[in-house]
This record gives sequence, C-alpha cells and structure tokens, in this order.
Amino acid sequence: AQTVTQSQPEMSVQEAETVTLSCTYDTSESDYYLFWYKQPPSRQMILVIRQEAYKQQNATENRFSVNFQKAAKSFSLKISDSQLGDAAMYFCASGGTSGTYKYIFGTGTRLKVLA
Amino acid sequence: SAVISQKPSRDICQRGTSLTIQCQVDSQVTMMFWYRQQPGQSLTLIATANQGSEATYESGFVIDKFPISRPNLTFSTLTVSNMSPEDSSIYLCSAQGAGEKLFFGSGTQLSVL
Repeated sequence: AQTVTQSQPEMSVQEAETVTLSCTYDTSESDYYLFWYKQPPSRQMILVIRQEAYKQQNATENRFSVNFQKAAKSFSLKISDSQLGDAAMYFCASGGTSGTYKYIFGTGTRLKVLA
Repeated sequence: SAVISQKPSRDICQRGTSLTIQCQVDSQVTMMFWYRQQPGQSLTLIATANQGSEATYESGFVIDKFPISRPNLTFSTLTVSNMSPEDSSIYLCSAQGAGEKLFFGSGTQLSVL
C-alpha cells in the first residue's frame, strides 16, 4: 500500500527567507512519481514540482527545489526567497506508473509567510 | 497542461437529494479521478474513472452512493446521492496529463442541510 506522511502540520517563514517542508513516503511501485502541490484559500490545487523516482537529480522549478532521498523514501520541498504569495497548504503526493495510477496525498503542511 | 472546468463551484442542498458535479477537460485524457476533501484535511480518493469502463471505487465508497459517468475522454460526472450532512465537503475532479502530472478542477464546495 502507498502512504505519504507529512509530519509538519504548520510552518512559518519570514519573507525572503528559506523554508523546507518534509515528506516521507512508502510504495511498492517500482516506478513512480512524487509531487508537491500548493492549495491556496481559493482551494485550487496547483502543481509546484514533480520528481521522477528513477532520476537521481533533484527537480528544480525557479525558487522551488526538492531533496529526493530514494533510499530513505524522503522527498522534501525547499522554498527559497519566500514570498507572501507562497502562503498556502502544501501537499506531498505519490503516484505510480505500473498500472495502478493511484495518487495518494499526505495530510498537508500549512505554510505561513511573515512580512 | 490540462485545464479543467468543474461545476458547480458550490451548492447548498437538502438532505435526501442528489447533486451531480460536472468536470470538463480541455484535452483528451485517459485517467480521471474524483477526490473528497473535508475542511482542513487531505484529499481522499473516491474513485478512478476510465472511459469505456466502470469506475473503480476505493474502500468506503460505493457506486450506489457516488455514481460516476465517463462518456468520453474529456468529460466526467460524479453524483452524490441521497445526501446527508456527512456528505458536506469539497469534491475535486482531476485528470492525469503528460508526465503523469495530475491536474485539478477548482472544486465543488457542497453543504448539506
């Protein structure tokens, strides 16, 4: 069974500073993807970044980067130069490619950005 | 990326009635998913909707309560039947795009009185 665990219910960061959100996962899939999604109060789920598990190189999207540790089943999100607009719920998710296609989400981390 | 239009965005319904939520994707997609999100909670997968076959339901969700249609590769509906206040939640439609990315509609906030 797939599980995704986010152990930080809430995090705060000063504007322009860096913050790291943690995520661990477990899956029986041999090939899978990992994702971070952002959900602002508008409730629209926005894809922040995606990591292909077979790639060792950590994914980067502008101010967002991940630290993917496959052996440890860890997938953390680093947000650099935090902006007020980054305040939202962040969900870590995993999805398989072997035919099950289930996307499982963690419980979320609420990020507050302090001016 | 896929753009997903979901409607209604919100509704207030009476106990015992049914509501059908519609989801339109701007491109053809194979896999579509329906999620439920309780206030302040994570997303729980209700079912996977594949075109041309019956939806696959997760544990705790049954077809009689949440019938799903998937008539073509760009459209799906979820019906919440015989509603009770416990069905009050946000319902999210999603579709799998290129690179296994999951794209979402803007959600339907349902309140049952």
